Amino acid sequence: DGGITQSPKYLFRKEGQNVTLSCEQNLNHDAMYWYRQDPGQGLRLIYYSQIVNDFQKGDIAEGYSVSREKKESFPLTVTSAQKNPTAFYLCASNGQGVEKLFFGSGTQLSVL
Amino acid sequence: AQTVTQSQPEMSVQEAETVTLSCTYDTSESDYYLFWYKQPPSRQMILVIRQEAYKQQNATENRFSVNFQKAAKSFSLKISDSQLGDAAMYFCAYRSAHYQGGSEKLVFGKGTKLTVNP
Repeated sequence: DGGITQSPKYLFRKEGQNVTLSCEQNLNHDAMYWYRQDPGQGLRLIYYSQIVNDFQKGDIAEGYSVSREKKESFPLTVTSAQKNPTAFYLCASNGQGVEKLFFGSGTQLSVL
Repeated sequence: AQTVTQSQPEMSVQEAETVTLSCTYDTSESDYYLFWYKQPPSRQMILVIRQEAYKQQNATENRFSVNFQKAAKSFSLKISDSQLGDAAMYFCAYRSAHYQGGSEKLVFGKGTKLTVNP
């Protein structure tokens, strides 16, 4: 079945540690997105990529980094510079000309 | 920049009754798309309904319908015959119809938590 797979489902970060969230899609979509969800804040865009080897900052990119080496994969690294990383992270994708976003099942990141 | 406002943090409805969730948005564009997404306790985002701004007819999907008022920049969601499974967070979202290097991204409201009482 086609879809978006995010892993892990739960992730814990220690002080000063970088952690990487995985996002893989087999929908052959060009565009991929990372959103952060905090209680009462809705979804906010962190980074997005419309094509391999290219990506742009979203509204809250500070403390995060991404790569897009393959069409299927768009990993998000939460760096030690992100001082408040506890949140629910959602990965999404869509194909060109397709308005609907497809979402993964999310990763809950917490700080130890 | 576009903004989306959901003025009702929480709403409740009795099972089998009708409820309307409000959404307003701000944009200077004339062509765009509007969406309602549902996020149940599983936290999976589910598309409920979408509306193209150029269409005057309000979108409908089974028990879900919208009231799209373009001039007022209003996009409310009506849920008829509410069911227990409708309990969720509901997010209104906006997307430009023009490809301008990232304009495909969705702008979300902060959400409305809907409780359905048996």
